[in-house]
Amino acid sequence: GAGVSQTPSNKVTEKGKYVELRCDPISGHTALYWYRQSLGQGPEFLIYFQGTGAADDSGLPNDRFFAVRPEGSVSTLKIQRTERGDSAVYLCASSQGLAGEETQYFGPGTRLLVL
Amino acid sequence: GESVGLHLPTLSVQEGDNSIINCAYSNSASDYFIWYKQESGKGPQFIIDIRSNMDKRQGQRVTVLLNKTVKHLSLQIAATQPGDSAVYFCAENMGADKLIFGTGTRLQVFP
Repeated sequence: GAGVSQTPSNKVTEKGKYVELRCDPISGHTALYWYRQSLGQGPEFLIYFQGTGAADDSGLPNDRFFAVRPEGSVSTLKIQRTERGDSAVYLCASSQGLAGEETQYFGPGTRLLVL
Repeated sequence: GESVGLHLPTLSVQEGDNSIINCAYSNSASDYFIWYKQESGKGPQFIIDIRSNMDKRQGQRVTVLLNKTVKHLSLQIAATQPGDSAVYFCAENMGADKLIFGTGTRLQVFP
């Protein structure tokens, strides 16, 4: 595909459950970013990968949140013991990851609802 | 469906008029700025960007102005169309790293 894709598009889960959210970046993009967007607000940074490694995870709210990118392409955001406050849209973006080519292109997001 | 920006500032314009959306950014060290458009139920869509060594950049029907002295960014949309209706966010970047998004503005275009 030409753009960033995310699956599932919607996820409803119960408090305390574990969820995984997937992101497929634009082919060839080395940098991948996860953001969280609550209703009425702008996206907030969670974590940034350059290749396989997490270059900056300062936005992860606590240790229930974890993300991986084992082969430097697809990334999975994992949330353990979900809480109602985790309900939000989780956005993924990718960029070429080069100086002068920092434009981040976003996917459609995964809407997570924790009941 | 999902409504992005329930309590955001709103700009209402008539179709065909020009729109100006403003944004204040926070970090004087930021060197790259981007405007995104977000329609309900979708992810942010890149519109235009500008680097800190410029004060103006033009695209198709859009112009971004950067005033580093007062840390202000604006997006001008010429001949606004109904399809321009969305929430607009400015974002700042201090390198190939995280974006910091400003408070969005909802643009409503009336026929």
